[in-house]
Amino acid sequence: SQQGEEDPQALSIQEGENATMNCSYKTSINNLQWYRQNSGRGLVHLILIRSNEREKHSGRLRVTLDTSKKSSSLLITASRAADTASYFCATDEREAAGNKLTFGGGTRVLVKP
Amino acid sequence: KAGVTQTPRYLIKTRGQQVTLSCSPISGHRSVSWYQQTPGQGLQFLFEYFSETQRNKGNFPGRFSGRQFSNSRSEMNVSTLELGDSALYLCASSSDTGSGTEAFFGQGTRLTVV
Repeated sequence: SQQGEEDPQALSIQEGENATMNCSYKTSINNLQWYRQNSGRGLVHLILIRSNEREKHSGRLRVTLDTSKKSSSLLITASRAADTASYFCATDEREAAGNKLTFGGGTRVLVKP
Repeated sequence: KAGVTQTPRYLIKTRGQQVTLSCSPISGHRSVSWYQQTPGQGLQFLFEYFSETQRNKGNFPGRFSGRQFSNSRSEMNVSTLELGDSALYLCASSSDTGSGTEAFFGQGTRLTVV
């Protein structure tokens, strides 16, 4: 079963604009991670935010985490055509043993040149 | 450092057959997880192996099984294939003994059952 819901399901923007996508989850977590997937290929890890962190930056990426609302957002600033991909949030649930990620449904982002 | 390698990349099988997929993790990583991705169900966790032991299992029927070898390489097997098993199967490796680290994914094996 999927832990998270992502919103929006799809996003179309112009190059240079910012893209924001949101993720909600259901259970207590150790951390939340964001991944990118190009055209049904493997997932690329973007950023990990721990449950005791509220905001994290990596290059043009900014992630926030609100554990009281069980939600996270990913902001991509100054988007490029190469950012066109599907983006997934994944949670590492506190009650789960080992390394198990529970993924959201993903947001498909199209960046038009 | 070489990434996660999955073989084969593409596979076509007939209903009722069985299939074995292989995953070589990043050198030094002892945790290997498997995921199934379909348009309808999204990304779903199959199982995780650590030091040759299954540490966690998702909600899949017993037709789905896996194992891990002493060199951390892992295989997953699906027996009595059904049309609904058509999917992208992704393998991920992690370095940590517990939770809290990123997973590195392979390019996946695209399985088509006809």
